[in-house]
Amino acid sequence: RKEVEQDPGPFNVPEGATVAFNCTYSNSASQSFFWYRQDCRKEPKLLMSVYSSGNEDGRFTAQLNRASQYISLLIRDSKLSDSATYLCVVIRAGTALIFGKGTTLSVSS
Amino acid sequence: DTGVSQDPRHKITKRGQNVTFRCDPISEHNRLYWYRQTLGQGPEFLTYFQNEAQLEKSRLLSDRFSAERPKGSFSTLEIQRTEQGDSAMYLCASSSGPSVEEAQYFGPGTRLLVL
Repeated sequence: RKEVEQDPGPFNVPEGATVAFNCTYSNSASQSFFWYRQDCRKEPKLLMSVYSSGNEDGRFTAQLNRASQYISLLIRDSKLSDSATYLCVVIRAGTALIFGKGTTLSVSS
Repeated sequence: DTGVSQDPRHKITKRGQNVTFRCDPISEHNRLYWYRQTLGQGPEFLTYFQNEAQLEKSRLLSDRFSAERPKGSFSTLEIQRTEQGDSAMYLCASSSGPSVEEAQYFGPGTRLLVL
């Protein structure tokens, strides 16, 4: 079993839609959690950190459920520019980022 | 631009040749990481430096791979006797702060094609 699992999608949604991605992680020692965004043939870029209390950044909301070992990302009012691959990332008690395969989102007009 | 930079951006080589990539981290970031990403996969960790010390290496880093960060600033990743399976995007990231669990910031990557 992969340490970080994501539904690869693709998720195809119209502009203005709300879309949610989930991610599960297998190692309960994981300590930090992030969502990164990656555009085609570009490097991953930090979207937001994820905290147990949940956090929001504009149209984006991230949640962490430690008991169930899952992380979610909610995007409201989707824009064409949100089309990308969204990578779920955890850090164990160590240093390396452990990435999921990514979930592909395509927003259409 | 004060972000992470990598050079070259693209490299095509023949099997059996050696290649070297360079990464310049964000200024004053003391931690530097190398990752490899193949099509349809998330990046996979290769190795990590804190200042000039190489503190962690993945099992993915075979003996044909070597990384250095001699002065604690830029880093190089060398692949000797390249194989077709080495074709991938090689990403460098850096971070700073009191905790190793800080977010990492990536460079644009070096795309390697081994013929």
